[in-house]
Parts: sequence; structure tokens; C-alpha cells
Amino acid sequence: AQTVTQSQPEMSVQEAETVTLSCTYDTSENNYYLFWYKQPPSRQMILVIRQEAYKQQNATENRFSVNFQKAAKSFSLKISDSQLGDTAMYFCAFRGGTYKYIFGTGTRLKVLA
Amino acid sequence: EPEVTQTPSHQVTQMGQEVILRCVPISNHLYFYWYRQILGQKVEFLVSFYNNEISEKSEIFDDQFSVERPDGSNFTLKIRSTKLEDSAMYFCASSPGTSFNNEQFFGPGTRLTVL
Repeated sequence: AQTVTQSQPEMSVQEAETVTLSCTYDTSENNYYLFWYKQPPSRQMILVIRQEAYKQQNATENRFSVNFQKAAKSFSLKISDSQLGDTAMYFCAFRGGTYKYIFGTGTRLKVLA
Repeated sequence: EPEVTQTPSHQVTQMGQEVILRCVPISNHLYFYWYRQILGQKVEFLVSFYNNEISEKSEIFDDQFSVERPDGSNFTLKIRSTKLEDSAMYFCASSPGTSFNNEQFFGPGTRLTVL
């Protein structure tokens, strides 16, 4: 069975600094997708970034980038130039051959002014 | 931008009562999902739904749970006889398809409190 682990329950970062959120996963599948979702306080989860397992190049979306290490089954999220609006819960999610997502427990990120 | 909506935002019920949680997926989406998150725990998959039938369900989704798309726009989750351990945040999601690159769009959630 697939599992997703986020080992950092809470993190904080100063505004304009860079922060990296960790995610590891376990699967026997070779083809899958990985996602980072952001959940601001009292609002819905929105997609931040996705990575296809068969692509070696790390995905980037503006200030957000990932470090995808397939052999190590690691998928970390880097947020550059952190902004107050980045304060949220961040979930790492795995999607394999079925429709469902498997989520980690989340990392609560607080950006400090 | 279209969004998934859910009602109510918070539902309080007595143990043993039936509850129906409602979701309106994005209008051209074909696949629908329910997830739940017990406080402090991970978001867990409950069920996926396509073409008016369940595509996949987890072991959590037992006979007490059912889903329905009654009118072509709403997607509901019914819990027949609620238990204390059903207290959680319930998220609805939809996606346009199941292609590998299709993301799921999530609603804001319904917080269910069973007393």
C-alpha cells in the first residue's frame, strides 16, 4: 500500500526567506503523480504544484519548486521569497494507478512579518 | 473561476442520527470524490464516483455511508446512523477526468460534529 509521510508538523519562516517542506512516500508503482496542495485557514485546498514521476525535471511554478528524488522516494517543496499569504497548511499527495489521492498529515507553515 | 461548493459548513448532530452532506462539483467535471479528515490526522479517501456509480471505495466507506448524484448538479454523502468517530471534516472534490494529469478540485469542507 502507498503511504505519504510529512515529518514536519509545523514550520515558520521569515517573510522573503526560503523554506523547504519535506515529503516522502512509499510505492511499488513506477508511474504516478505527486502533488502539493495548500489549504489557507478556513478555505479550500488548492493545487500548488504537481510532478509526474516519469519526468526527471523538477516542476516549478513561480516561487514554488520541487526537489523530486524518485529513487529516494522524496518530494520536497521549496517556497522562495516567502509571503504572508503563503501561511497555510500544506499537504503532500500521491496519486497512482487508481483515482484516489493519498495524503500526508500536512505541514502548518507560518510566514512571519 | 468555478469552484466546488459544500453545504453546510458546519453540521452538529446527535449520535445515531442521519446526516446528508452536500456538494456542488464544478459543472463540466465527471468524477467526484469524498475525503475526510479527523482532527489532527491525515486526509483520507472515502469514495470516488463516476457515471452514477461508485468507482472505488475505502474500507472506511462501510454500509453506513452512501453517495448519490440526485439531480445532475449535487453530489451527496449520507451517513445513516452517525457515530462519535464520524466527527471530522468532510471534503468533496471533483475532476474533469481521470487522466493522470487531471487534478482534483476541492471544496471548503463540512465540519461534522457528532455528540
